[in-house]
Amino acid sequence: GQNIDQPTEMTATEGAIVQINCTYQTSGFNGLFWYQQHAGEAPTFLSYNVLDGLEEKGRFSSFLSRSKGYSYLLLKELQMKDSASYLCAAMDSNYQLIWGAGTKLIIKP
Amino acid sequence: IAGITQAPTSQILAAGRRMTLRCTQDMRHNAMYWYRQDLGLGLRLIHYSNTAGTTGKGEVPDGYSVSRANTDDFPLTLASAVPSQTSVYFCASSQGNTGELFFGEGSRLTVL
Repeated sequence: GQNIDQPTEMTATEGAIVQINCTYQTSGFNGLFWYQQHAGEAPTFLSYNVLDGLEEKGRFSSFLSRSKGYSYLLLKELQMKDSASYLCAAMDSNYQLIWGAGTKLIIKP
Repeated sequence: IAGITQAPTSQILAAGRRMTLRCTQDMRHNAMYWYRQDLGLGLRLIHYSNTAGTTGKGEVPDGYSVSRANTDDFPLTLASAVPSQTSVYFCASSQGNTGELFFGEGSRLTVL
């Protein structure tokens, strides 16, 4: 079956670095996506990886290893506004997104 | 710039009643989606439409129907609501199968 696993909750300190891991199993693969969702709001797109390696976008970076079925989202210089849920999603061979349950990131001052 | 608009934002509904959640986008995206989001679960696809005039079933389509008469509108109908349909519903759109989805603000539905 198709499955996405990511930690339920993580805690980090303002100014620090945090890595949110995601493992996936899908029928075919057409990319790995990360979305941010603040409480009570809609998800918003953060990043997309389809080739192995690191994609950097400001304070956020996303990594993909297709052979390991593994991705991570790296957040640097954490700010209080980064407190949110981070959703990992993999696109299968039918171009449908399979979503993880999300990782709630709590930032402490 | 509105993006995607959903209505209503919140609704309490008696079981057995019919309910339509509205979704309108102004980005001329060809693909639209309806998801439900429940605590502890990932977003689950209910129905989708790759282009106006076509629709498809997602992971959890039972009890829901959709239509796509034009590019902009993609309403979701619950023919006879049941308590298990209590959820937050998100409409989304994308240009093709890019995976970069634009979401509406959500409709919180409670079925009693």
